[in-house]
Amino acid sequence: GQQVMQIPQYQHVQEGEDFTTYCNSSTTLSNIQWYKQRPGGHPVFLIQLVKSGEVKKQKRLTFQFGEAKKNSSLHITATQTTDVGTYFCAGPRAEAGSYQLTFGKGTKLSVIP
Amino acid sequence: DGGITQSPKYLFRKEGQNVTLSCEQNLNHDAMYWYRQDPGQGLRLIYYSQIVNDFQKGDIAEGYSVSREKKESFPLTVTSAQKNPTAFYLCASSVGSATYNEQFFGPGTRLTVL
Repeated sequence: GQQVMQIPQYQHVQEGEDFTTYCNSSTTLSNIQWYKQRPGGHPVFLIQLVKSGEVKKQKRLTFQFGEAKKNSSLHITATQTTDVGTYFCAGPRAEAGSYQLTFGKGTKLSVIP
Repeated sequence: DGGITQSPKYLFRKEGQNVTLSCEQNLNHDAMYWYRQDPGQGLRLIYYSQIVNDFQKGDIAEGYSVSREKKESFPLTVTSAQKNPTAFYLCASSVGSATYNEQFFGPGTRLTVL
């Protein structure tokens, strides 16, 4: 079943406003990945976080991994219309020996010009 | 250019017919995956393969079958036993099957069963 919860499911922002999506797991994650899917497109890998408390930045995007490695967030500063899409987090299954990633249900971002 | 190709982009089938979705990669990746995407449901794993001639069921394998006879190819058959086959199907691959490897996705096939 679903092991990675992502909120909110939808977010509408005015262009220039900030945006944050959160990813939570009931178990400790060895790593977490973030993907972006543009409307009508396919998921594209953005970044991976591995260390406790890790923070990584990609231009206006800031990714954080919690100290307990059970949660993560993606923050976009000053959104632009090019940020439109669905953002997914993905973490490893909790089962021993599993090679599967579990994806969150995603946060769909709409940016109003 | 290296990448993953899926064909066709749109597919229409009548209820009760089996249909096979193509997935080819030239990235020399060992691991390949099939996901199903429905609105509001995220990505759900159907089948995955860590290596040629080997594959495992994912969360929603019922009504689907796969084969992995070649490293670069991982076709998915949607059988008539799949109760609600209309969906967006995504194929992905990664260098290895470890979960710290990023997954590369194909453009997807949108299947509509009439």
